[in-house]
Amino acid sequence: RKEVEQDPGPFNVPEGATVAFNCTYSNSASQSFFWYRQDCRKEPKLLMSVYSSGNEDGRFTAQLNRASQYISLLIRDSKLSDSATYLCVVQEGGSYIPTFGRGTSLIVHP
Amino acid sequence: ETGVTQSPTHLIKTRGQQVTLRCSSQSGHNTVSWYQQALGQGPQFIFQYYREEENGRGNFPPRFSGLQFPNYSSELNVNALELDDSALYLCASSFGGSRGNEQFFGPGTRLTVL
Repeated sequence: RKEVEQDPGPFNVPEGATVAFNCTYSNSASQSFFWYRQDCRKEPKLLMSVYSSGNEDGRFTAQLNRASQYISLLIRDSKLSDSATYLCVVQEGGSYIPTFGRGTSLIVHP
Repeated sequence: ETGVTQSPTHLIKTRGQQVTLRCSSQSGHNTVSWYQQALGQGPQFIFQYYREEENGRGNFPPRFSGLQFPNYSSELNVNALELDDSALYLCASSFGGSRGNEQFFGPGTRLTVL
């Protein structure tokens, strides 16, 4: 079983749709959680950190469920420019080693 | 503020050869992490350097080695290249180790091993 699992998709949605991605992790000692965005043939860039209480940044909402060991990313009012791969990152407390999921591909079409 | 840079952008090698990839960290950052990203996969952590010392290593064999210089730039060396080493190699810089801190990635070096 992989440490961090994501549905690779692709998720194909129309503009304006709401889409949600989940990411499950196996290490219960995980303490830090992030969502990164990676455009085609580009480097990953931090989208948002995920806090225990959940957090929102504009159209993006991240949630953490420690009991079920998953994090989620919700995108509201999808834009064409949201088309990218979304990478889930989990890091054990005290560890320097972040573990990336394989990413979920999102395609937003007109 | 200068971002993370990597060189070269592309590289073609043959099996058994050795390669050195370079990374300049973002201004003010003292930590560099290296990742290998195969097609369709997420980045896999190779190792991290903090103040010129390796302070974390992923599941990669010893033929993957590196170092960090006093100016915090870094090199990744791979010996005895294998076909499976073909991938995008990313470096990421951060401040104070990557524990819970945002990492800034460079554009990567795409390595092809023939």
